[in-house]
Amino acid sequence: DVKVTQSSRYLVKRTGEKVFLECVQDMDHENMFWYRQDPGLGLRLIYFSYDVKMKEKGDIPEGYSVSREKKERFSLILESASTNQTSMYLCASNIGLDTQYFGPGTRLTVL
Amino acid sequence: SQQGEEDPQALSIQEGENATMNCSYKTSINNLQWYRQNSGRGLVHLILIRSNEREKHSGRLRVTLDTSKKSSSLLITASRAADTASYFCATDLNSGGGADGLTFGKGTHLIIQP
Repeated sequence: DVKVTQSSRYLVKRTGEKVFLECVQDMDHENMFWYRQDPGLGLRLIYFSYDVKMKEKGDIPEGYSVSREKKERFSLILESASTNQTSMYLCASNIGLDTQYFGPGTRLTVL
Repeated sequence: SQQGEEDPQALSIQEGENATMNCSYKTSINNLQWYRQNSGRGLVHLILIRSNEREKHSGRLRVTLDTSKKSSSLLITASRAADTASYFCATDLNSGGGADGLTFGKGTHLIIQP
């Protein structure tokens, strides 16, 4: 079974803090994705990566950066957290164009 | 930009009845996927249908795809209380190669009344 894990289920940070959200997958998937989910807006793609050290912007990359130093790990970074980044963050991975496997999500609150 | 749109936004039925949800999208796709999300949890993949397929079954799930109408439907037969969840369609755009993220609709919230 594919397993995608995220470092925290719940996280509370203060405005202006630098925040790291970690995602690890154990199936040697080449592609990894970060989404955020907000009520009434559904899931929106922030960034994705199709190889180590490669990254592509999604629909809403502003205020975020990512890092992929190893194939199994994809980090989402909020350089200076703001209250409008309070959201549920979901990581996913896959191979090619196939099914994306999602982690359990991190609910981030920025105060 | 929102590619998939589910309809209805919310659906409440009695246990044992069938539930049908629809999804419309705007541009050509490689495939369309349906996911389920229980409250506050991650998404669970249900079924993937490719653009050259018209119907697919998996257990109590039946998915249809009509590329001429740019629409898909998800049918859950003999619903159970455990089917209560939000259901999302997601499209993988036919962007000519490489992997892109999925574009999700806003979901249908399904409630199964015991």
